[in-house]
Amino acid sequence: GAGVSQSPRYKVTKRGQDVALRCDPISGHVSLYWYRQALGQGPEFLTYFNYEAQQDKSGLPNDRFSAERPEGSISTLTIQRTEQRDSAMYRCASSSGTDYEQYFGPGTRLTVT
Amino acid sequence: DQQVKQNSPSLSVQEGRISILNCDYTNSMFDYFLWYKKYPAEGPTFLISISSIKDKNEDGRFTVFLNKSAKHLSLHIVPSQPGDSAVYFCAASAMSEGAQKLVFGQGTRLTINP
Repeated sequence: GAGVSQSPRYKVTKRGQDVALRCDPISGHVSLYWYRQALGQGPEFLTYFNYEAQQDKSGLPNDRFSAERPEGSISTLTIQRTEQRDSAMYRCASSSGTDYEQYFGPGTRLTVT
Repeated sequence: DQQVKQNSPSLSVQEGRISILNCDYTNSMFDYFLWYKKYPAEGPTFLISISSIKDKNEDGRFTVFLNKSAKHLSLHIVPSQPGDSAVYFCAASAMSEGAQKLVFGQGTRLTINP
């Protein structure tokens, strides 16, 4: 079946603009995660949903970052008033909830100029 | 503070030989460990995992070993094949604490030479 999909794959935005990144998890997966990955590093946890409930947002760097999953499927990560330091690969993952493996999407490469 | 560390940024191995990738962790609450493989322009792909109640898990050419007292895990690939060339990440989680988030190492780039 289809894996995790993310859109857009690439996003270039000017400093100060808001961006919305979308994640479509594997069908039926109840858990959804957002990570951020800097060049040469592993993914770093941002936030996690179980169905539509945001269970953990401890990794969100500041209040410019928010995420939602209103119907327990597709999720949107929003970054307001983007800054150059927000430039990174943003990855989404999902899991079934019955096992612990998380399955990653291809990521959105965000560049803030 | 880097809770999961992969101290070798790169590793080069001859085809057919054994590849050993290492990972160390500091958080004693971690009780579930995973290895991911990543090709360029793709997301990380789950490879193999191990729970802290085990010290070894094997899946085909891939074996993960866990040494809890040393807070160390390793991934063995035998025999290594050219298609194994990728970046490998280890990750850990504290499942018993209800924590679903994975904490990743920095990755090791494995190159298999023909």
